[in-house]
Amino acid sequence: EDQVTQSPEALRLQEGESSSLNCSYTVSGLRGLFWYRQDPGKGPEFLFTLYSAGEEKEKERLKATLTKKESFLHITAPKPEDSATYLCAPNSNSGYALNFGKGTSLLVTP
Amino acid sequence: DVKVTQSSRYLVKRTGEKVFLECVQDMDHENMFWYRQDPGLGLRLIYFSYDVKMKEKGDIPEGYSVSREKKERFSLILESASTNQTSMYLCASRTADRAQYFGPGTRLTVL
Repeated sequence: EDQVTQSPEALRLQEGESSSLNCSYTVSGLRGLFWYRQDPGKGPEFLFTLYSAGEEKEKERLKATLTKKESFLHITAPKPEDSATYLCAPNSNSGYALNFGKGTSLLVTP
Repeated sequence: DVKVTQSSRYLVKRTGEKVFLECVQDMDHENMFWYRQDPGLGLRLIYFSYDVKMKEKGDIPEGYSVSREKKERFSLILESASTNQTSMYLCASRTADRAQYFGPGTRLTVL
């Protein structure tokens, strides 16, 4: 059975303090990975698709990387508006649905 | 841009009522999903549909049913609402590369 673990569960950063979020997984037939951002009370917003190990994608202060067993979401010089929960979901050969991690709740303080 | 809409942002119902949650997508996607999201439990799949009139149970289908009469519309039905169905309900639509796009969510409270 596919398993997805995100760490840390919660992260508090000061504005400008860079850090990384981790998504590790055990899946059969990995075809890539998705990252999402979710604001309180709203639906997850799609951020990135990573298709293969070694791939990187960037969007503003976020950079996502992928290996065969884990993905990182690097946040460079974060701002308070980056505060949100970040979810990952490996894309595998098993079935129609995605298996989402429980997320990392990020709080960036001024 | 993919757009997924849900019929209500907030809903308050009484125990035993029949509840309909509707979801519409505008991208002609074949696959649509219903999740519920609760603190500490993450996203849990209730049902999904891979084509019109076709549906599959997810991880927690008990107490729910679904309907998909048209490709763009996927409805979640709570036959007899109970307090343990108080939750955030999220609909998603899937692209060809399997990325899911979510609606804004419906916060359902059952009293």
